[in-house]
Amino acid sequence: DAGVTQSPTHLIKTRGQQVTLRCSPKSGHDTVSWYQQALGQGPQFIFQYYEEEERQRGNFPDRFSGHQFPNYSSELNVNALLLGDSALYLCASRPDYPPDTQYFGPGTRLTVL
Amino acid sequence: GESVGLHLPTLSVQEGDNSIINCAYSNSASDYFIWYKQESGKGPQFIIDIRSNMDKRQGQRVTVLLNKTVKHLSLQIAATQPGDSAVYFCAGSRVAQKLVFGQGTRLTINP
Repeated sequence: DAGVTQSPTHLIKTRGQQVTLRCSPKSGHDTVSWYQQALGQGPQFIFQYYEEEERQRGNFPDRFSGHQFPNYSSELNVNALLLGDSALYLCASRPDYPPDTQYFGPGTRLTVL
Repeated sequence: GESVGLHLPTLSVQEGDNSIINCAYSNSASDYFIWYKQESGKGPQFIIDIRSNMDKRQGQRVTVLLNKTVKHLSLQIAATQPGDSAVYFCAGSRVAQKLVFGQGTRLTINP
């Protein structure tokens, strides 16, 4: 059983560019959340998707947007990249019911130059 | 606002000893808590979780204790091994809601 997978593993962009990160949830999971983890910090919640809708959102600007597809996979888009967007971006999935443990993927390391 | 914090940023223990990592939370409405282990370059790995209607839960070599009176939880690792070296995060949430993470404790194992 494959766990949560994310692509790409690493990414280097320049300020002002746009980036798309991808996530495939664990088999049987239909809820996907995205987190940003700055170096030396705990993960910070960006948003959560269920049934292709954004269900919750953290304190992130509108430059951060997402999408969930009918097969439950998800994308995170970040526009107008800033240096401060450099971080590890983590995807987590869980079943909608029971609302059990969130399982994380390996993350995408984004570097903005 | 809600917050979750760990008491110590680093913890060093001798191989074979027991490790105790502590965490405090501020949101009384939190009803679900979880511990993750994160090794360098990897995503957080689930260790153990506990719901607010429990005060103790045991797994393989790990125990989580929850004290709702003082809003404190701890992770105990028995007979610490070199493979336990990692950063440990506690997180809290209301069930099905977002996870709020602490800053993490880096556990170092001395031979």
